[in-house]
Amino acid sequence: GENVEQHPSTLSVQEGDSAVIKCTYSDSASNYFPWYKQELGKGPQLIIDIRSNVGEKKDQRIAVTLNKTAKHFSLHITETQPEDSAVYFCAAHPPEGYNKLIFGAGTRLAVHP
Amino acid sequence: GAGVSQTPSNKVTEKGKYVELRCDPISGHTALYWYRQSLGQGPEFLIYFQGTGAADDSGLPNDRFFAVRPEGSVSTLKIQRTERGDSAVYLCASSLVRGGEQYFGPGTRLTVT
Repeated sequence: GENVEQHPSTLSVQEGDSAVIKCTYSDSASNYFPWYKQELGKGPQLIIDIRSNVGEKKDQRIAVTLNKTAKHFSLHITETQPEDSAVYFCAAHPPEGYNKLIFGAGTRLAVHP
Repeated sequence: GAGVSQTPSNKVTEKGKYVELRCDPISGHTALYWYRQSLGQGPEFLIYFQGTGAADDSGLPNDRFFAVRPEGSVSTLKIQRTERGDSAVYLCASSLVRGGEQYFGPGTRLTVT
């Protein structure tokens, strides 16, 4: 089955810097890759997603890139702010049945003022 | 509009007891998912409903876990003979259609003592 690996597990940046989180997946047929932000005590919040027919998607300060050949995708956050501090999860949607998301282990991002 | 809601937000129970966790999806969403999140990990898929039927229950860890969605809206996750290893945050998500973006609720934190 699908397996998703996420790096780094923790990331510390200064306010205004950029942050990049990387994920790899194992099933080349996976076709949908969302990113979630989870704050303490809350459920995961969908922040951006990308489907396998595009290579890049951008929404204000966040962007996601997908390399299908290498089977990896990345989240880019520019001009980071303290409120970006949270745990970020990548996920992949395996092709069989569209029934589930397979999540990475998460990246704890700390943005220091 | 209203998001996914889950009750209770916290549940403490003794080993061996029975618990029910409730999920109220976004109105009109036909697909409903249950995930379990252990401390420091990403959510893990448990079960998926399309309408009233459990279309994929491959993530349920054993037969102590059961879920229903009798009218195609609210869902209840039921755990019999709880064990300390069941302690986790149980997350519910819904999507408008099968394979669509999944929106998560705040979760129920279950503690088995």
